[in-house]
Amino acid sequence: KQEVTQIPAALSVPEGENLVLNCSFTDSAIYNLQWFRQDPGKGLTSLLLIQSSQREQTSGRLNASLDKSSGRSTLYIAASQPGDSATYLCAVVRGGAQKLVFGQGTRLTINP
Amino acid sequence: ETGVTQSPTHLIKTRGQQVTLRCSSQSGHNTVSWYQQALGQGPQFIFQYYREEENGRGNFPPRFSGLQFPNYSSELNVNALELDDSALYLCASRPGGQIYGYTFGSGTRLTVV
Repeated sequence: KQEVTQIPAALSVPEGENLVLNCSFTDSAIYNLQWFRQDPGKGLTSLLLIQSSQREQTSGRLNASLDKSSGRSTLYIAASQPGDSATYLCAVVRGGAQKLVFGQGTRLTINP
Repeated sequence: ETGVTQSPTHLIKTRGQQVTLRCSSQSGHNTVSWYQQALGQGPQFIFQYYREEENGRGNFPPRFSGLQFPNYSSELNVNALELDDSALYLCASRPGGQIYGYTFGSGTRLTVV
C-alpha cells in the first residue's frame, strides 16, 4: 500500500526566506508526482507535475525535484512572500486507476 | 477551458438523508475522480470514472456511488448520511493518459447534523 508522508506538518518563516518542503513515499513504482496548494476551505491548485522519468520541474519561484529510487520529492520556494501562506500537498499517482495518493500536507505561514 | 466547477459550494443535511454533489469538468477530460477531505487531513480517494465507467474505487462503502455523463459532468451520491460524512468533497479531472496532471474543483463542503 502506497503511503505518502510530508514533513514538517507546519512551518512558519519570515518573508524573503528560501524554504524546502519534503514529501516521501513508500512505493517507488509511481507514474508521476503532483504538488498542490490549498487555501483554507478551498479546492486544490496544481503547482507542478513531475513525470516519473523526470528529475525536476520549475515554475517561477517554485522548483520541485523527484528521486524515485529514494522515494522522495522536495518543493523549493524561493524568496517567500506572505501570499505563499497556504497548505501544500504532494500526491503520487500509481497503478490501476491511477488515483492520487496524498500526504497530509504542510501548513506554511510566511510572516511579513 | 473553463476549469472544473462543483455545486453546491456548501450543503447541510440531516443524518440518514441522501445527497447528490455535482461536478462539471473541462471539455476533453474523460477521467474524473472524487475525493473526501476531512478537516486537517489529505484528500482520500473515493472512486474514479473513465469514459462513463467506474475504473477504480477506494475504501468507501457502497452507499457512496457515482455517475459520469457524456458531457463531462459527473455526480457523487451518498445515501444514508452519517455524521462522519461531514467533509470537503473534491472533484478532479484530466484528459486520458498518465502524463496529464489532475485539475481540481473548489469543492463542496458537506455538513451532516
